[in-house]
Amino acid sequence: GAVVSQHPSRVICKSGTSVKIECRSLDFQATTMFWYRQFPKQSLMLMATSNEGSKATYEQGVEKDKFLINHASLTLSTLTVTSAHPEDSSFYICSAPIGSPVSSYNEQFFGPGTRLTVL
Amino acid sequence: GNSVTQMEGPVTLSEEAFLTINCTYTATGYPSLFWYVQYPGEGLQLLLKATKADDKGSNKGFEATYRKETTSFHLEKGSVQVSDSAVYFCALLNQAGTALIFGKGTTLSVSS
Repeated sequence: GAVVSQHPSRVICKSGTSVKIECRSLDFQATTMFWYRQFPKQSLMLMATSNEGSKATYEQGVEKDKFLINHASLTLSTLTVTSAHPEDSSFYICSAPIGSPVSSYNEQFFGPGTRLTVL
Repeated sequence: GNSVTQMEGPVTLSEEAFLTINCTYTATGYPSLFWYVQYPGEGLQLLLKATKADDKGSNKGFEATYRKETTSFHLEKGSVQVSDSAVYFCALLNQAGTALIFGKGTTLSVSS
């Protein structure tokens, strides 16, 4: 099946610094990617939809100035956590759907996730 | 809005036991329903899906039937293996058809 990678897999940073997480579709093009956040023993919560060539769409309650998303190419989306604080510590997961248009997609492929710890 | 409720885990079973993980949903209309599995250290993988009422999704011995009367999509397997130990997520497709809404996940641990 299709493969989605994330980098880094784990990152520890100091409070106040910014962290960039990459999501790549390795063997297919993805005009849309999704960013999720997962707290311990909680569900994946959709944060935003990343669109190649246009602005990301953020879910209600997600600060777009804090979680910057850039969909630079058809195979790469980045999530930058700006001025990170301990409450931003979480597991961040991206996914990319196969098929176009997105509204009729059939399956999403998920990255392995990035564990962010803010000290 | 749309939501998914899963039974809380962890679920601990012996090998060859019968598995049921309950999942119910709240949604407008009849959304597509999914079960995803997350093995330790790996990303989520689609396990099975159903796109309309009364559909049965099946894969690797797992089954789930889309029941609109009870708004449920329970996951079942007749005989679990140690290799089935993972976290299982029930999900539905949002109204716009563009993203997934997940349940909290159920951890399954199978011992030999």
